[in-house]
Amino acid sequence: KQEVTQIPAALSVPEGENLVLNCSFTDSAIYNLQWFRQDPGKGLTSLLLIQSSQREQTSGRLNASLDKSSGRSTLYIAASQPGDSATYLCAVYPPSTDSWGKLQFGAGTQVVVTP
Amino acid sequence: DTAVSQTPKYLVTQMGNDKSIKCEQNLGHDTMYWYKQDSKKFLKIMFSYNNKELIINETVPNRFSPKSPDKAHLNLHINSLELGDSAVYFCASSQDPNGDTQYFGPGTRLTVL
Repeated sequence: KQEVTQIPAALSVPEGENLVLNCSFTDSAIYNLQWFRQDPGKGLTSLLLIQSSQREQTSGRLNASLDKSSGRSTLYIAASQPGDSATYLCAVYPPSTDSWGKLQFGAGTQVVVTP
Repeated sequence: DTAVSQTPKYLVTQMGNDKSIKCEQNLGHDTMYWYKQDSKKFLKIMFSYNNKELIINETVPNRFSPKSPDKAHLNLHINSLELGDSAVYFCASSQDPNGDTQYFGPGTRLTVL
């Protein structure tokens, strides 16, 4: 059974520092991996989707890497800003066709960026 | 403008009541989902419909019944509400269920008293 773990559970950094968020999964046979952001009382916003054949994806200050063999993904946020304060969730897609769409989520990392 | 919308945003009700949550997406997607986020913030999938056909039905009490009148709508009806049903329910959609990016609605916070 796939388990998705995010460490640390919470992180506080001063503005301008780079953020490194970790996600690990127990079954390396994943299809894709998606990073989301959740603001308090709000829904999830998709940040990056990494396909299983890719090793990384970039969007602006965000860069996500994927190492399937070691069961890890890392989300880097460069030059953090107070507006980056949120909970970051990673989720994996299982590979089998009978599990399509069954995103499995980690518990998230709560990030606070202090001015 | 809203891509995935849900109504209501908040729902407070008594145990034993029946309630519905509605979801609509204007992205032209074929697949829609219902997720439950419990008090520990874990998100877990409940149901998924692809082209109005149920494709994911996780271990959920049969008091929960999804209905998809068309590809743009997926509603969730809950019978005989229990205290443990209190959670935030999220609707999502994607172009297809095959690992495509999922877009989430703002959530419905259900509180059962």
